[in-house]
Amino acid sequence: NAGVTQTPKFQVLKTGQSMTLQCAQDMNHEYMSWYRQDPGMGLRLIHYSVGAGITDQGEVPNGYNVSRSTTEDFPLRLLSAAPSQTSVYFCASSYLGLADTDTQYFGPGTRLTVL
Amino acid sequence: AQSVAQPEDQVNVAEGNPLTVKCTYSVSGNPYLFWYVQYPNRGLQFLLKYITGDNLVKGSYGFEAEFNKSQTSFHLKKPSALVSDSALYFCAVRDSGAGSYQLTFGKGTKLSVIP
Repeated sequence: NAGVTQTPKFQVLKTGQSMTLQCAQDMNHEYMSWYRQDPGMGLRLIHYSVGAGITDQGEVPNGYNVSRSTTEDFPLRLLSAAPSQTSVYFCASSYLGLADTDTQYFGPGTRLTVL
Repeated sequence: AQSVAQPEDQVNVAEGNPLTVKCTYSVSGNPYLFWYVQYPNRGLQFLLKYITGDNLVKGSYGFEAEFNKSQTSFHLKKPSALVSDSALYFCAVRDSGAGSYQLTFGKGTKLSVIP
């Protein structure tokens, strides 16, 4: 299993540009999520999904869109990048269930710089 | 709302000495608690979790954590620190209630083990 994969690893954008961060998992996990990591802020949840066709907002959703058309993929879209979106982005996935272990598995991250 | 506090931004410990990284939490229901570790330029790796049962949880690389409900704490411990334990450590919590999937992270504690 490849686990959780993210592309690209690094990206530089200009203000106003759009892009999509890709995330895929091969563990058949129902739950997928996107976090951003900023110095001194820890990880903050952007959006999450509990299954194909179901998404919801996290703590800091503004400026980001997501969709979940398949179990495996959960792309994060920046429609008009802003310098405040400069961050490291992590995708994570886990199983769901009543007795769920809830262990989230993280991808290696995408380091995004918006100029 | 759920929250996690890691009161120390940095912990320094000599190699071979015991280490403790502190975490307190707030959640309306019963907590699921997690510790993750992040090495430089890497994603987060799962260390251990408390779901239910024994308050002392043992995890990877010789780490353990003790759940204390009355003090709402989940401190990470290791009897003898290694230089290779130097990393960023995150505590996380989620409410065990049905339909509550969001994981909330603390801001992280940087552990430095001095040779």
